[in-house]
Amino acid sequence: EPEVTQTPSHQVTQMGQEVILRCVPISNHLYFYWYRQILGQKVEFLVSFYNNEISEKSEIFDDQFSVERPDGSNFTLKIRSTKLEDSAMYFCASSEGAGWATEAFFGQGTRLTVV
Amino acid sequence: AQSVAQPEDQVNVAEGNPLTVKCTYSVSGNPYLFWYVQYPNRGLQFLLKYITGDNLVKGSYGFEAEFNKSQTSFHLKKPSALVSDSALYFCAVRDMNRDDKIIFGKGTRLHILP
Repeated sequence: EPEVTQTPSHQVTQMGQEVILRCVPISNHLYFYWYRQILGQKVEFLVSFYNNEISEKSEIFDDQFSVERPDGSNFTLKIRSTKLEDSAMYFCASSEGAGWATEAFFGQGTRLTVV
Repeated sequence: AQSVAQPEDQVNVAEGNPLTVKCTYSVSGNPYLFWYVQYPNRGLQFLLKYITGDNLVKGSYGFEAEFNKSQTSFHLKKPSALVSDSALYFCAVRDMNRDDKIIFGKGTRLHILP
């Protein structure tokens, strides 16, 4: 069964450093998402991406964040200068469509720890 | 704006008993509703969805959910709980008339007692 894969599973970084979280969405999916989950809290929407551009982003997704689909298969989330409060589990997701009756499929997540 | 409420932080049910995990939603248009489950140290797994049609939808692992438009609810149910059902359950909504993002509730931890 096709699945969304994320690497690495765990990333530790020093405050102020840049990190790139990687995701390979399901191959025939067109819409891509990043969500995050701070430990013990709700799953929060960060950004959605379609047709090589951001279709929507939340207040969390400020200038420190960026997304890219560099080669048609990978979908990356970059945090330019990490802060302690960026520590969270980051989930990538993809779906066949949006505004349709399609569910999103989630990866296993990358646990980001900023020290 | 879209929102999802899960009023219970935790639900405890004895194994073999029926379970219900509550969810209410708010959208401006027609909702697409989802339930996801998260096992420890794992991602979110899709359980079931309501799009249109029958108000009772069936999903994975014997779970079902009932859509109630007048009460704007989408409660998750299972007739007979298993210990292996213990996990974190998230209700989610997508407003079909608006953007493509899915909004999640805060989650309900389901604890099945052996």
